[in-house]
Order: sequence, then C-alpha cells, then structure tokens
Amino acid sequence: NAGVTQTPKFQVLKTGQSMTLQCAQDMNHNSMYWYRQDPGMGLRLIYYSASEGTTDKGEVPNGYNVSRLNKREFSLRLESAAPSQTSVYFCASSEITSQPQHFGDGTRLSIL
Amino acid sequence: AQSVSQHNHHVILSEAASLELGCNYSYGGTVNLFWYVQYPGQHLQLLLKYFSGDPLVKGIKGFEAEFIKSKFSFNLRKPSVQWSDTAEYFCAVNAGNQGGKLIFGQGTELSVKP
Repeated sequence: NAGVTQTPKFQVLKTGQSMTLQCAQDMNHNSMYWYRQDPGMGLRLIYYSASEGTTDKGEVPNGYNVSRLNKREFSLRLESAAPSQTSVYFCASSEITSQPQHFGDGTRLSIL
Repeated sequence: AQSVSQHNHHVILSEAASLELGCNYSYGGTVNLFWYVQYPGQHLQLLLKYFSGDPLVKGIKGFEAEFIKSKFSFNLRKPSVQWSDTAEYFCAVNAGNQGGKLIFGQGTELSVKP
C-alpha cells in the first residue's frame, strides 16, 4: 500500500525556472492538499481540493498553481520559482475534508 | 483569523519523564482537533484525533490528549516518554466553517535523552 506518493523527493532550481510537483494517492480519497513546511512555522496550506474538479486557495497560495488531474492526482506548479519558495512540500489526502489526512514523504525544494 | 498556538518550541526530557505539550486554538465554534507526529526524516503521522464525545482521547504509542472547551485547549500527554518519542509534534485544528482547512500550530520539537 503506497498511500500518498510524491515526486520528486529532492530538486534544486534556479530563480525563474518552473517546476511541477506531482502527488498521487491510492486510497480513493476525495480530498487532497498541498502544504509547505518551514522551520518554526509548522505546515501552511497552499491549495487544496475538497473533491475532484474543485480547488481552493489556502493560507499561502501566491506563486503557486494546482491541478486536480483526476481523483488520484493533484499537482503543484511553480511558474517562476523564487528563493522564498525554498521549502519542504508535503502532499496529503483524506477521505473527506473533516477526516484525518495522510501525508506523503515530502519534496525538498531549493531555489538558488 | 483562526490560529493554533503551541507554547513550547523545544522540549528536552529524560527517558521516563512525563510529557505535556500545550495547544490552544482561537476558533470558538465546532472544531475537530488533531495531533500529528513527525519523526526525523519522515512524513507526518496521525497520533490521535478528537471529533466529539469523551474529551479525553487516547492515541497510538501511549499518547493521550484532553479537550477542554472552556480553555480552547487540546494538550498532548504521555506518562513516560521513551527515546523513540524524539520527534516534532504538531497540533492541528479543523473548524466547521473553514471548508476543510487544517490549521497547524508551529510545532514542538521533543528531544528525549536516553
């Protein structure tokens, strides 16, 4: 049982480059989420998708876009990467939004 | 705006000591409450959750938490910690009218000395 799978695990980008982080879940969950984790700030929600076909902004959406490709997959795109987006990114999913979330292993992204 | 506060940023304990990590939230309506744990280099895992009913909830690995509505608190406890409990602990709140958003506290890093 893979759960939530994120790719890649590590990535280094130059300022201005674009990148898409991929996330897939095999638990048939309806809801999916993207967070960023920065030291001393906990996890902050970037975007989420309560159900297939819907996406909504979280706390820190600026500089990001998302696509809920189908029920399994939810991607996060950085159109023009900035050093302030250096972070660890976690994808998560849950059966519905009020239920506990299951997290992927994270993507460590560095932007130079 | 809704917020979650974890009072302790870093806690250092010896093995067998008792643990209590504080968590307070600012939302006054119906809430779902969670504690997650992140072991070094790993993803977040659910420790326990509170939706309704008995305000004292038990989770995995001997952890428990008490929901005190009047204090807007959901503190995490463990009677006797082990070295393997070394991790970062996050409190999170999902409020009824927030459309499913989980708001996380800043996290508390727990170091247990053998």
